[in-house]
Amino acid sequence: LAKTTQPVSMDSYEGQEVNITCSHNNIATNDYITWYQQFPSQGPRFIIQGYKTKVTNEVASLFIPADRKSSTLSLPRVSLSDTAVYYCLVGGSGNTGKLIFGQGTTLQVKP
Amino acid sequence: NAGVTQTPKFQVLKTGQSMTLQCAQDMNHEYMSWYRQDPGMGLRLIHYSVGAGITDQGEVPNGYNVSRSTTEDFPLRLLSAAPSQTSVYFCASSLGGRRTDTQYFGPGTRLTVL
Repeated sequence: LAKTTQPVSMDSYEGQEVNITCSHNNIATNDYITWYQQFPSQGPRFIIQGYKTKVTNEVASLFIPADRKSSTLSLPRVSLSDTAVYYCLVGGSGNTGKLIFGQGTTLQVKP
Repeated sequence: NAGVTQTPKFQVLKTGQSMTLQCAQDMNHEYMSWYRQDPGMGLRLIHYSVGAGITDQGEVPNGYNVSRSTTEDFPLRLLSAAPSQTSVYFCASSLGGRRTDTQYFGPGTRLTVL
C-alpha cells in the first residue's frame, strides 16, 4: 500500500485559494489519487480523483506532477463552509479490501 | 435512493452491555465497511466486506463482530461495550471496494459508553 503524508492542519481566510499537498512516494503505476472531504458531524464525501496532470471539477482541482510522488488539492476562493477535514487516498482499480483513510488535513477557514 | 443509512443516530451504553449498530444501503454495492472516528483523529477501519458472506478485519477489529448475510445490510455488533469504544461510527459502501471506487458514507452513529 502506498503511504500518504499530509499536513495535519492548515489555516486560511475567506476568498483565498488553498492548496493541500499529499506526498505518496511509493505510488504504484496503476494507482489513482482520490480526495475526500469531511464536514463536522458528517461522513466523508468524494471530492475528486485523478491519475496524472490536472483534473478539475465544480468543487476543486487536482494537480499531479509527472513523477506522481505528490499531488495537490486546490480549492479556489474558499469560504467558511469549506472548513473541513480533507483526506488523500492512493490506490489502484485492482485493489480491494482495506481502504485506509489516515488522519487527513484539517482546514480552518477564517473570516 | 436513500443511499447509506445508519441507526441509531445516538446511543448511550453502560460498560458490559451489548448492542448492534445497523447499516443498510440501497445501491446494490458489493463493498461495505465500518469505521470509527475519535475526536481529532482520522477514520480507522474496523471491519469490511467485499460481498455477502465475506468479511474481514480492518485496523481495529477487537471488540467488534460483523456479518453480511445480504448485500444490503452490514451490522456491527459490540459484544461487551467498553468506554474505549466511545466514538462516532461510520458505515460506508462502494460498488466494488477498489480504491478508485467512490465511497459513500452514512451519517454516523454517535456512541457513548459509560
